[in-house]
Amino acid sequence: EPEVTQTPSHQVTQMGQEVILRCVPISNHLYFYWYRQILGQKVEFLVSFYNNEISEKSEIFDDQFSVERPDGSNFTLKIRSTKLEDSAMYFCASSKRTDTQYFGPGTRLTVL
Amino acid sequence: QKEVEQNSGPLSVPEGAIASLNCTYSDRGSQSFFWYRQYSGKSPELIMFIYSNGDKEDGRFTAQLNKASQYVSLLIRDSQPSDSATYLCAVKPQEYSTLTFGKGTMLLVSP
Repeated sequence: EPEVTQTPSHQVTQMGQEVILRCVPISNHLYFYWYRQILGQKVEFLVSFYNNEISEKSEIFDDQFSVERPDGSNFTLKIRSTKLEDSAMYFCASSKRTDTQYFGPGTRLTVL
Repeated sequence: QKEVEQNSGPLSVPEGAIASLNCTYSDRGSQSFFWYRQYSGKSPELIMFIYSNGDKEDGRFTAQLNKASQYVSLLIRDSQPSDSATYLCAVKPQEYSTLTFGKGTMLLVSP
């Protein structure tokens, strides 16, 4: 069964550094998403992406964040200058239409 | 502010019992409702979705939706220790692609 994959599984970085989190959505899906979950808190929407552009973003997704689909398979989330409060699990999800979303295993980001 | 509320639990049930998980939402216009299961340290795993009022059954799972009461529930029959996890309710307005999640209810099934 096709799955969303994410790399790396764990990323440790210093505050102020840039990180890129990578995702490979399910191959025939057209809608891509990033969510994050701070330890002990709920899953929060960051951004959705369709047809090579952002379709919706939350208040969390400020200028330090960006997303890109650099080729036909990868979907990336870049955090330009990481802060301590960016430490969280970051989940990529994809859907065929704007309905059921399937989540990848996540990347645990630790900012020191 | 769209809110999804769940009792954080833990909800403890013995093996073989029915577990009932509840969720309320604030946005009356919401159209799609999802239940995800999340094991500790893992990602959300889709269990069921429901769009229409009433019940929807899939194996041991039944989702129930009451839009008038803004209430959605998940019943797990014949609960197993492997069902022990946090169950996340998620709601999606029809015109948007985002999901709004509740904080989840932790379910503990004892052998």
